[in-house]
Amino acid sequence: EDQVTQSPEALRLQEGESSSLNCSYTVSGLRGLFWYRQDPGKGPEFLFTLYSAGEEKEKERLKATLTKKESFLHITAPKPEDSATYLCAGSINAGGTSYGKLTFGQGTILTVHP
Amino acid sequence: GAVVSQHPSWVICKSGTSVKIECRSLDFQATTMFWYRQFPKQSLMLMATSNEGSKATYEQGVEKDKFLINHASLTLSTLTVTSAHPEDSSFYICSARQMGFFYNEQFFGPGTRLTVL
Repeated sequence: EDQVTQSPEALRLQEGESSSLNCSYTVSGLRGLFWYRQDPGKGPEFLFTLYSAGEEKEKERLKATLTKKESFLHITAPKPEDSATYLCAGSINAGGTSYGKLTFGQGTILTVHP
Repeated sequence: GAVVSQHPSWVICKSGTSVKIECRSLDFQATTMFWYRQFPKQSLMLMATSNEGSKATYEQGVEKDKFLINHASLTLSTLTVTSAHPEDSSFYICSARQMGFFYNEQFFGPGTRLTVL
C-alpha cells in the first residue's frame, strides 16, 4: 500500500533557528514527490516537485531534497511568516484515470516564534 | 501562472438541499482535476478524480450519487453535494493538473467551506 509519513507532527522553532521536516514514502512507481504549504482555511500552495534521488530545489529559506526513501524540507533561519502546515505528497504513475493521483502525508505544523 | 479558483469560498445551506461548487483553472488547461475533502486538523482526503469528457473516478467509500462531479471543459469541473446533511460539512478543495506527460504538479484552489444546518 502506498504510504507517505511525515515527521514530526508539530515543530516549534525560534526565529532564526534552522531545522528540517521529514517525509518518508513507500510509493511504488513514484512519479514525483511534492511539497506544499497550507495556511489555515486556505488551499495548499505549491512549493516544490522532486523527481529523482539526489535532486534538490530551493526557494528563499526553503530547500527540498530527495533520496530513494525520503525527502527533507530544510528551513534556514525561519521567520514567523513561515508558520504553516507543510504537506508532502507522492504521485504514482497508475495510468489511466488515476494518473497523477497524489498520496498525502499528515503534515507537519510549523510554528515559528519571534 | 497556474492559478486555480473555486466558487463559492463558503456556503451555508439547509439539510436536504444540494450545493454546487465550481473549480476553474484560470491560466492553463487541465485534463484532470481532483476533489479533496479536509476535516479540521487533518490532511487532505482524495474524493475523486475528474477527467475532461469522461466519468469521474471515485475513491473507495465515496458515494457517487451523493457527490456528483462534472468536468465539462478543460478549465472547469463542478462538484455537487446532493441532499446535503450536517455530516457533509467540511472544507472541499479542488486541484488541477497541468497537461503534459512529465508535469504532474497539481495546483490547488483556495477551498470551499460547506456548512450544512
